[in-house]
Amino acid sequence: AQKVTQAQTEISVVEKEDVTLDCVYETRDTTYYLFWYKQPPSGELVFLIRRNSFDEQNEISGRYSWNFQKSTSSFNFTITASQVVDSAVYFCALSEATSGSARQLTFGSGTQLTVLP
Amino acid sequence: NAGVTQTPKFQVLKTGQSMTLQCAQDMNHEYMSWYRQDPGMGLRLIHYSVGAGITDQGEVPNGYNVSRSTTEDFPLRLLSAAPSQTSVYFCASTPGAGGPWNEQFFGPGTRLTVL
Repeated sequence: AQKVTQAQTEISVVEKEDVTLDCVYETRDTTYYLFWYKQPPSGELVFLIRRNSFDEQNEISGRYSWNFQKSTSSFNFTITASQVVDSAVYFCALSEATSGSARQLTFGSGTQLTVLP
Repeated sequence: NAGVTQTPKFQVLKTGQSMTLQCAQDMNHEYMSWYRQDPGMGLRLIHYSVGAGITDQGEVPNGYNVSRSTTEDFPLRLLSAAPSQTSVYFCASTPGAGGPWNEQFFGPGTRLTVL
């Protein structure tokens, strides 16, 4: 069965610090997709990134970067020079492509990030 | 495009009452799903559908029913509300057929309280 673990329940940083949110996943499938979503205090869910299991290239988008390592089953998310507007709950999620649970998206429990001014 | 819409935004029920949470999308997405969000537990999948006439259970289906008579609509029914169903409910849709392998578009959520 697929599983996503976000061990960091809450993180607090001061503005301009860099912060990394950890995501560890479990799957027996060889083809799968990983996602990050952001949930700001307003409550909506915002898609940030999708990565498939065959693409281990790291990705950078502005102040955001993602480090995908199949060897450690991790898909970590780093925010560089954090800002107060980055304060939100961040969810990592996994979907298998070929297993019996392939049609289900599994979320981690989320990391509450607070960026202090 | 309105995207994914959900009604109502807030609802208070008494134990034993039934109700339907509405979800609609205008993006012609085949895959739709319902999640509930509880503190410290992330989003858990209740039911999902890969197309009109096809539904299946997710991780926490007990106490809920769904149907998918059209591509656009995917209502979630609470049969006999219980306090354990107090939660925030999100509906989502995904482009592409077969599964949630692309970006999910979420509705704004319904905050449900069962007394």
